Order: sequence, then C-alpha cells, then structure tokens
Amino acid sequence: QQPVQSPQAVILREGEDAVINCSSSKALYSVHWYRQKHGEAPVFLMILLKGGEQKGHEKISASFNEKKQQSSLYLTASQLSYSGTYFCGTENSNSGYALNFGKGTSLLVTP
Amino acid sequence: EAGVTQSPTHLIKTRGQQATLRCSPISGHTSVYWYQQALGLGLQFLLWYDEGEERNRGNFPPRFSGRQFPNYSSELNVNALELEDSALYLCASTLPPASGSIDEQYFGPGTRLTVT
Repeated sequence: QQPVQSPQAVILREGEDAVINCSSSKALYSVHWYRQKHGEAPVFLMILLKGGEQKGHEKISASFNEKKQQSSLYLTASQLSYSGTYFCGTENSNSGYALNFGKGTSLLVTP
Repeated sequence: EAGVTQSPTHLIKTRGQQATLRCSPISGHTSVYWYQQALGLGLQFLLWYDEGEERNRGNFPPRFSGRQFPNYSSELNVNALELEDSALYLCASTLPPASGSIDEQYFGPGTRLTVT
C-alpha cells in the first residue's frame, strides 16, 4: 500500500529548513528515502530500520516513529543542491523485500 | 566503478507491440529491481530478481515479465503494449537482503517508453 507523503511541494529560500513526512497505514519494518533531480535517477539518502538502526548520509537526518508508522526527513540549512523530488519507500513484514514508494515531495530551493 | 546501465534510453512503440528493456547492475550486485515511474504516480514496484530467479512482483498484469541472466543483468518485457504503459522504467541493483531488510538501491538512468 502506497505511503502518503506531505507536503506535496515546498519552496524554500537557501538556508531555510524543511520537514518531509511519510505516513503508512501498515506496520513498517523499514523506511527508505531517495532524492531524484529532474531528468536523473533517484539517489539513496537514508534507510531507517525498526529498532532504531539507520544507514545513510551524514548530512541527512530523519526519524522513524514505529508506533505512528511515520517517518520524517529533516533538511536543515537548505542548499540549492537540495532541490529535487524526495521519495519515501516503505517496507513491511509481508512486502516480500519490495518497497512501496510514495508519490514524492517536490522541493525547490531558491537563492 | 561503473554504475547501473540501462538500454535503450528511449523507446517508441505502437499499441499492441512488445517492448524489451535491459539493465546491467553494478558489479557484485545480484539483485535487480524494476520500477515504473508514470507521471504523478511515483515509483511503482514491478519485479525483483535475485540469483536468476523472480522473487517478487508488484501489482501489474502478467504481460509485464522479465528474466535475469547468469551475469545478473536483467531484461524487462512488456507485451501487448497499451497507451498507459508510457512511462520511465527504472531498474535498481542492490546486494540481496542480508540483515532482513532491503539494502541501499542504486538506480540506473531509466528507459523512457512511449506507446503511441
């Protein structure tokens, strides 16, 4: 089942902060975050696992609330290079090692 | 290290025809995932191959099929093409799940399929 991302789109000025949320109706085993720039392939940002383990880029921070079945991606002191579409992918215990991706959040950072 | 490659970059087909898309994973990766990215729908999981076997498939009709070769490259076949099959098809390679979860996926640039 496709997770719901919010907001759908956000515009920031360079240096501002943003939070992107990902919510699922099913119990989650892991949440994966990817960023896709226009015309390019999605790029891995972070994996958050049930139990607290995380793997990802040092400059990216995210949270995973297992009880609420939600994850949030925190973009602080945004840079122009942060612009793109952010996707969360969720994995639950019976997804058979498949990710269900949300529709994406479009982020534009302006000078 | 070479990344994931896909061919062709663009493919134009007529409704009812068949399309074949190809993917070469990163060296050492045995798992290949296929996704469909249609406008406004995000990434939709299509198929997962590992060690030459189809391990899982998404909610797509049987006319979407594929295979994985001994060198771990993969092919996606779409039969009886329909207009709504027009989309960007992405493949991603990864190491097989070792710790009970999907690992970091490396995506290729995609094949843009247009059905007229």
